Amino acid sequence: DGGITQSPKYLFRKEGQNVTLSCEQNLNHDAMYWYRQDPGQGLRLIYYSQIVNDFQKGDIAEGYSVSREKKESFPLTVTSAQKNPTAFYLCASSIRGQGAKGETQYFGPGTRLLVL
Amino acid sequence: GENVEQHPSTLSVQEGDSAVIKCTYSDSASNYFPWYKQELGKRPQLIIDIRSNVGEKKDQRIAVTLNKTAKHFSLHITETQPEDSAVYFCAANLASGGSYIPTFGRGTSLIVHP
Repeated sequence: DGGITQSPKYLFRKEGQNVTLSCEQNLNHDAMYWYRQDPGQGLRLIYYSQIVNDFQKGDIAEGYSVSREKKESFPLTVTSAQKNPTAFYLCASSIRGQGAKGETQYFGPGTRLLVL
Repeated sequence: GENVEQHPSTLSVQEGDSAVIKCTYSDSASNYFPWYKQELGKRPQLIIDIRSNVGEKKDQRIAVTLNKTAKHFSLHITETQPEDSAVYFCAANLASGGSYIPTFGRGTSLIVHP
């Protein structure tokens, strides 16, 4: 479980503020993902990255941005354009990108974002 | 419609009974179907997965079956115990724009009554 970490555990955002959620992994995994979890909605993909310096939008990318400058790090910024950011955010990683064969994902402990 | 549909959303059973959760998917090219368990306040963790070249896989009290023709797969838990109470998510890797995207069902809240 300690292989992928997220911080902080709780984060508060004020109106018009950008906030950044941290995700770090020491599993030497190529691929990393960000999900948003709302009650009854399951896990919805925000962004994913299959390799350093490359990332793609998921189903709900609007109002979010990411970077992948290092293999072990995949921070997510929730911008002021995201009008309903209150949710539980989960980061995950897998050995390789999904591809046709699919890969198991390993999840971090999550960050709960609340709007003040 | 949803790319991965999961039913039921809530399942309540007595300890010792069996529980079955079903998922359907839309993409016939999908080849990987994992199941994750998320206990309250914790992260999802893989409990079992199946690939399209097999129809069934078992691990102690947990089994997954896959019907690729009908595009559905199911999680079976036998002899349920209170510690099985959690939210269970199915997933499938769906083709999208030349790559594959992990797509999750909405989850099933399993409650096992002692």
